[in-house]
Amino acid sequence: IAGITQAPTSQILAAGRRMTLRCTQDMRHNAMYWYRQDLGLGLRLIHYSNTAGTTGKGEVPDGYSVSRANTDDFPLTLASAVPSQTSVYFCASSEATSGSTDTQYFGPGTRLTVL
Amino acid sequence: GQNIDQPTEMTATEGAIVQINCTYQTSGFNGLFWYQQHAGEAPTFLSYNVLDGLEEKGRFSSFLSRSKGYSYLLLKELQMKDSASYLCAVLDSNYQLIWGAGTKLIIKP
Repeated sequence: IAGITQAPTSQILAAGRRMTLRCTQDMRHNAMYWYRQDLGLGLRLIHYSNTAGTTGKGEVPDGYSVSRANTDDFPLTLASAVPSQTSVYFCASSEATSGSTDTQYFGPGTRLTVL
Repeated sequence: GQNIDQPTEMTATEGAIVQINCTYQTSGFNGLFWYQQHAGEAPTFLSYNVLDGLEEKGRFSSFLSRSKGYSYLLLKELQMKDSASYLCAVLDSNYQLIWGAGTKLIIKP
């Protein structure tokens, strides 16, 4: 059982380029999340999806888009990358069912550098 | 606004006990989580508290006081591998996780 996988592990990207970060989970969790983590700021929610077919905006959604076509996959797209999007990106998932604690489980992360 | 406060950095000695505090002000409360994050790795779940009191899990314990908006993570018999950042997070009334910036714990031999 892999849990949550993310690809790529790291990427260096020229400003203005389009980039999609991939996230796949095999736990059949309903909810999925994208965070960015910057030094001293903690984890900040970019977008989330409570169930397949629905998405919502988090704390810092500008410049990012997501889709949730099925339960397992939750890609994050940067339409036109800017240097301020240099960060470590974590995908997470949780059961999000009635009675669950809603514990989030994280993928290994993608380290993105925009030059 | 919503806010989670925890110390930026703490230092402790191998074999000792350390307490990492977390105070929170959030719109509603549906539980408090502690995660461990080693440098360059993903956060991993440690504990969950939704009722007042102490939850013990091996060398790690977590305490919650909802009336005071306060929690702590207690680590006993510290080992070098416990050197990591410890993240406090609160599930608010909208079931969104609000994260603290994390406490970097340095263990010295």
